[in-house]
Amino acid sequence: DIQMTQSPSTLSASVGDRVTITCRASQSVGDWLAWYRQKPGKAPNLLIYKASTLDIGVPSRFSGSGSGTEFTLTISSLQPDDFATYYCQQYNSYFWTFGQGTKVEIK
Amino acid sequence: QVQLQESGPGLVKPSETLSLMCTVSGYSISSGYHWGWIRQSPGKGLEWIGSIYHSGTTYYNSSLKSRITISVDTSKNQFSLNLTSVTAADTAMYYCATLPFAWGQGITVTVSS
Repeated sequence: DIQMTQSPSTLSASVGDRVTITCRASQSVGDWLAWYRQKPGKAPNLLIYKASTLDIGVPSRFSGSGSGTEFTLTISSLQPDDFATYYCQQYNSYFWTFGQGTKVEIK
Repeated sequence: QVQLQESGPGLVKPSETLSLMCTVSGYSISSGYHWGWIRQSPGKGLEWIGSIYHSGTTYYNSSLKSRITISVDTSKNQFSLNLTSVTAADTAMYYCATLPFAWGQGITVTVSS
């Protein structure tokens, strides 16, 4: 199975900060990589698919980059709604796998 | 727009079988995509359980493979999950989804006597 490793596990930041989360795959997943934001008690919400394509309605402060085994999610200016947990997920293989999550906390 | 809705019991006794159904609307399962189950234990991350293609081909998480069965009923536009011999470790929120584009809202399942 393809292993996905996110870093950091926790991130403390303030409103307005630029934030970057990294996701590494144990083998190439091409650009079949998605990013989700999850708030407590809710299902994950798709932010980015195909590594860099913003889903409909997702604010432009979110961006994704990378291919192969290394990917990043960047939030250009953190907003109060963004304090949540973020997950990457590969769907290159039919055996889907998720990163362990990155919790973005208020500094 | 595809929508998914989980249904099933919220409480299952240890050693019994957990059975969940996912009803899909807004898209025909027969048209394609992979349809899967994901779970999240309290305070933990997301764990993919397994997926099925409309043809019936299944893909299972190797750590759960011996206990899970996923099946599809294209006539009802539904797919299901059976997880046998449950323990407290199987207590979780269970989601059905077709990733990356759509998730159900989730159903809480507690394993307890």
